Amino acid sequence: GDSVTQMEGPVTLSEEAFLTINCTYTATGYPSLFWYVQYPGEGLQLLLKATKADDKGSNKGFEATYRKETTSFHLEKGSVQVSDSAVYFCALANDYKLSFGAGTTVTVRA
Amino acid sequence: EAGVTQFPSHSVIEKGQTVTLRCDPISGHDNLYWYRRVMGKEIKFLLHFVKESKQDESGMPNNRFLAERTGGTYSTLKVQPAELEDSGVYFCASSPGWERQFFGPGTRLTVL
Repeated sequence: GDSVTQMEGPVTLSEEAFLTINCTYTATGYPSLFWYVQYPGEGLQLLLKATKADDKGSNKGFEATYRKETTSFHLEKGSVQVSDSAVYFCALANDYKLSFGAGTTVTVRA
Repeated sequence: EAGVTQFPSHSVIEKGQTVTLRCDPISGHDNLYWYRRVMGKEIKFLLHFVKESKQDESGMPNNRFLAERTGGTYSTLKVQPAELEDSGVYFCASSPGWERQFFGPGTRLTVL
């Protein structure tokens, strides 16, 4: 079945540091790939997505590229802020069903 | 536009008791989903409604879990009787089509 593996946390960074969270997947067909973020006390929000190979999703300074050859969708941000502290989930969708990774907790210190 | 709402935000019950979680989707969204995150692990799909019909309940763990969606509007997820391993965060999501799902804040269930 479909599965997503993402790097375990927690990750603690200083403000303006570079963030990368690795995500790899196993799936049949050609899934869409997503990064969701959960800020403290809030629900999951879609951060970015990519629907086909070599697509790059971007939002709020975050980027991720759909790499079919390495079955990866790594999340990156060049300069994090305290407000980026959250739990980040990598996910894939084959039709309506989302399959998530375990989540990576990121804490950014001022 | 109001988002997906879930009630309660947190529930603490004893093993063997019954708990009912509620989800109100975004108005007009025919698709409603339940997911669960247990013990800080991955979020797992439980089931999918299209309007009032269960489209896919392949992720429901066992027959102690019962989901309903009255009139294609709000949905409830009942756990009866609750076991310790049912503790976790239960998320509801809704969508107009299938690709973009909007999530609620989740209900944290603690079974003692």
